[in-house]
Amino acid sequence: QKEVEQNSGPLSVPEGAIASLNCTYSDRGSQSFFWYRQYSGKSPELIMSIYSNGDKEDGRFTAQLNKASQYVSLLIRDSQPSDSATYLCAVNLVHNNNDMRFGAGTRLTVKP
Amino acid sequence: DTAVSQTPKYLVTQMGNDKSIKCEQNLGHDTMYWYKQDSKKFLKIMFSYNNKELIINETVPNRFSPKSPDKAHLNLHINSLELGDSAVYFCASSQEGPSTQYFGPGTRLTVL
Repeated sequence: QKEVEQNSGPLSVPEGAIASLNCTYSDRGSQSFFWYRQYSGKSPELIMSIYSNGDKEDGRFTAQLNKASQYVSLLIRDSQPSDSATYLCAVNLVHNNNDMRFGAGTRLTVKP
Repeated sequence: DTAVSQTPKYLVTQMGNDKSIKCEQNLGHDTMYWYKQDSKKFLKIMFSYNNKELIINETVPNRFSPKSPDKAHLNLHINSLELGDSAVYFCASSQEGPSTQYFGPGTRLTVL
């Protein structure tokens, strides 16, 4: 099993819909989880971090964490064309110096 | 003010050459990283430095060597460049431990 797994997509949703991005991880001891957004030709930038089970909301973005299932997701409500990008899930590896590992990313396209 | 900067932005060179990429951060962070992002957009960690100590070294060829003259700088030296080294290289920094990483703009390396 890969350390951090994401569906590569592409995921296509119409404008105004909810986009759901999923991520699973292998290190059961992981405590810190991050979602980054990367536009084409740009560097990754942080959208949200989450550390506790449950939901965390920030504007149109909601991160959901379930440590028992080793699953973290990102929901984007009222998706806009400007949300079209690659979304990277990142998880700390407790058993490797707390090193961060990134998933391969999910490419999201929001169609007007 | 730029938080994490890299130079050069683009680097085109011939096989067998030696090149360096510079990185500087003005965030006062304790840890700096180098990542390689290949054509499939997978972001893979290469090195991290914490207070001048190398704490992560993935299975990277020893042609790659990080050099940190001080806490704010982490340069990447590459000897005997190969075609497979062509990629985008990102520098990043963070506070110590599993925290948000801030990325530089990236250096697109092309080896001919």
